[in-house]
Amino acid sequence: DAGITQSPRHKVTETGTPVTLRCHQTENHRYMYWYRQDPGHGLRLIHYSYGVKDTDKGEVSDGYSVSRSKTEDFLLTLESATSSQTSVYFCAISEAGTRMNEQFFGPGTRLTVL
Amino acid sequence: AQKVTQAQTEISVVEKEDVTLDCVYETRDTTYYLFWYKQPPSGELVFLIRRNSFDEQNEISGRYSWNFQKSTSSFNFTITASQVVDSAVYFCALSVGSKFYFGSGTKLNVKP
Repeated sequence: DAGITQSPRHKVTETGTPVTLRCHQTENHRYMYWYRQDPGHGLRLIHYSYGVKDTDKGEVSDGYSVSRSKTEDFLLTLESATSSQTSVYFCAISEAGTRMNEQFFGPGTRLTVL
Repeated sequence: AQKVTQAQTEISVVEKEDVTLDCVYETRDTTYYLFWYKQPPSGELVFLIRRNSFDEQNEISGRYSWNFQKSTSSFNFTITASQVVDSAVYFCALSVGSKFYFGSGTKLNVKP
């Protein structure tokens, strides 16, 4: 199994509070991604990173920011959590652009915003 | 724009039946990759297969087989002699460059 961990695994927070989710990899993959999974929507890309300090937006980036100061860590921050951000968040890693470019996923973080 | 459509929201079969999960994709790029992932009730996402746009050869792996047809922009997944352990949500995905696009998933229920 690819070495990807997410923390915390579960979090309950209140509307308006900032929240940071962490993704940590031990595979030294260049690309890292944050998705959210909601019923009926599959997985939707929030942000991704193609290197240290190099990030780009996905299709549902509003209300989220990311940072990657080290190859192994990719942080997702909800600047002011809202109930619509209640979801399961998955981190993924990939060697995109190569022949072995499948994504490997972390175990997910279940976030509830009250 | 890229898009993946899995029209089958939920399928129920009885054990040992064959079942095909449909996936239709849209892209104007000539170089792309297609994937299938499985998400069992435990919630993790498991990679099943990767196929690139230049390789239309079908693949069989045990009870699983995949049919890639560029003419119809489809990448269908067949499970032969389904088992209860196959019950899961299955996602089809498309990658173009470094971005990935997922379908909304098909929930497969295999009843004993």
